[in-house]
Amino acid sequence: AQKITQTQPGMFVQEKEAVTLDCTYDTSDQSYGLFWYKQPSSGEMIFLIYQGSYDEQNATEGRYSLNFQKARKSANLVISASQLGDSAMYFCAMMDGGATNKLIFGTGTLLAVQP
Amino acid sequence: DVKVTQSSRYLVKRTGEKVFLECVQDMDHENMFWYRQDPGLGLRLIYFSYDVKMKEKGDIPEGYSVSREKKERFSLILESASTNQTSMYLCASSPRTGRHQPQHFGDGTRLSIL
Repeated sequence: AQKITQTQPGMFVQEKEAVTLDCTYDTSDQSYGLFWYKQPSSGEMIFLIYQGSYDEQNATEGRYSLNFQKARKSANLVISASQLGDSAMYFCAMMDGGATNKLIFGTGTLLAVQP
Repeated sequence: DVKVTQSSRYLVKRTGEKVFLECVQDMDHENMFWYRQDPGLGLRLIYFSYDVKMKEKGDIPEGYSVSREKKERFSLILESASTNQTSMYLCASSPRTGRHQPQHFGDGTRLSIL
């Protein structure tokens, strides 16, 4: 069965510093996708970044990058130059190669950016 | 931009009531999903639908049903609400075509059952 593990319930980071949020996954599929979502205190889920299992380069979107290590089954999110607005819950999720586009979510990491 | 709209941000109901949570998307997506979110558990899939009148059980369907009579609308129904269904409910949609399309979420409904 597929599983996503986020071992950091909460983290602090100083403003303008970089932070890494950990995510490991378990799947027997060869084709899968990894996603990161941000959930501010207001509740909406915001899609941040996507990495396909066959993508050779790590995904980047602005200040977000995904450190994808396939052999270790890890897909860590790196946020560079943290801002106060980055304070939120962050979820790692995995999608298999099927047609239904179902997502399996981790339990999330609460990030607090300190001034 | 994709817009997924959930009918209520906050809802308070009594035990035993039949509760309807509505979700509408404006991007002609085939796939729609209902999740519940609880602290320490992340998001768990209740039901999903990949076409009109089609539905599939997710990981925690007990106590819930769904309805999809039109492509843009996906309703979650609590047949007889119980206090353990107090939670945050999130609706999402995605297109069927294309590999690994991200799901787009609504703002969520915080449901309290008293």
